[in-house]
Amino acid sequence: SQQGEEDPQALSIQEGENATMNCSYKTSINNLQWYRQNSGRGLVHLILIRSNEREKHSGRLRVTLDTSKKSSSLLITASRAADTASYFCATRSNDYKLSFGAGTTVTVRA
Amino acid sequence: SAVISQKPSRDICQRGTSLTIQCQVDSQVTMMFWYRQQPGQSLTLIATANQGSEATYESGFVIDKFPISRPNLTFSTLTVSNMSPEDSSIYLCSAQPGQGIYNEQFFGPGTRLTVL
Repeated sequence: SQQGEEDPQALSIQEGENATMNCSYKTSINNLQWYRQNSGRGLVHLILIRSNEREKHSGRLRVTLDTSKKSSSLLITASRAADTASYFCATRSNDYKLSFGAGTTVTVRA
Repeated sequence: SAVISQKPSRDICQRGTSLTIQCQVDSQVTMMFWYRQQPGQSLTLIATANQGSEATYESGFVIDKFPISRPNLTFSTLTVSNMSPEDSSIYLCSAQPGQGIYNEQFFGPGTRLTVL
């Protein structure tokens, strides 16, 4: 079942701008993972943040996690046309299963 | 990490037929999963493919409709049986190297199925 809710549903930005998307969830988690999906293809793993971590960076990506608010954010800095994709958050509790959010569709305009 | 391949990448099938999707991982993994992504939707877990035992299905999915095999630690198949147009989806295989709760889960490129 889907635990995560993401907002916004869609985001359109100019190349070079930053893109921020948020994910909220309902139950306690062990970790939260962010994925990118291009044009209905497979999911590319972006970053995993543990429940005891508050922030994590990977290249132009910055992920935050606030377990008290049950929310996470993904920031993409200096966006490029190649960042155009759908982004999903997925939470994992103790049972190894991932529950996915609805996703945010990001369009980067040249 | 794990590199996952799936075959076929896409198919168009007739109502009432069955399709078997293959998933190959480049390393031995304990945990493999099958997901479905309906058009414009997010991912829903179909089942966990267990090596040496029957798959564990999520609510709303049954073995007769989605039989799964897991003959070894690098390979799994998902069959979509007696297909109807409602089965048109992307089917994704996933694997988690290692058993740690903090291990990343990786996905294959997906199989895009259209049922006419």
